[in-house]
Amino acid sequence: DAGVIQSPRHEVTEMGQEVTLRCKPISGHNSLFWYRQTMMRGLELLIYFNNNVPIDDSGMPEDRFSAKMPNASFSTLKIQPSEPRDSAVYFCASSLVGPPGGYTFGSGTRLTVV
Amino acid sequence: KQEVTQIPAALSVPEGENLVLNCSFTDSAIYNLQWFRQDPGKGLTSLLLIQSSQREQTSGRLNASLDKSSGRSTLYIAASQPGDSATYLCAVDDNDMRFGAGTRLTVKP
Repeated sequence: DAGVIQSPRHEVTEMGQEVTLRCKPISGHNSLFWYRQTMMRGLELLIYFNNNVPIDDSGMPEDRFSAKMPNASFSTLKIQPSEPRDSAVYFCASSLVGPPGGYTFGSGTRLTVV
Repeated sequence: KQEVTQIPAALSVPEGENLVLNCSFTDSAIYNLQWFRQDPGKGLTSLLLIQSSQREQTSGRLNASLDKSSGRSTLYIAASQPGDSATYLCAVDDNDMRFGAGTRLTVKP
């Protein structure tokens, strides 16, 4: 398995533009998680899905953020409109609910909003 | 809400030393605990996963322990090497995974 695949690896965009981050989880995993990492706040859970259904989106900072999981092999995190304070590294992770558990992370998308 | 704390925030040791990183969590009702390593500008690499029913896990020079009742875990690194320099993150899974802020380890040659 190629692991959790995220794209793009780097994204530079202007304030006000729409940004879409993509994630392909590990085949067979039934949970998917979006995290944001900044120096100030560390790793923050934004939202997670179980069997493609959003379970907890309480970490989504504002209505400008939205996430979808149309099928078991694909998820998007969208920011519209983007702001400079959204600059961070966004990680996607997947796991299989039940033992043994454990999360596998993608390599992340480094977002810079100028 | 689960809170995860890691101590120390940073640690610098000479090569060859054995060291311990600490992790504590506030809610003991967890499914498992996972230790990750993160190199600068990189993603998270899983090091060890301990199920809630387990007391420890070992992989090479790494040993992680879990005391669920007291809300503590330790990561022991034996005979540290410069290549071990990274940030080590502890995460607990109680339905979703919550991370500590990490310990930044520097091993000096």
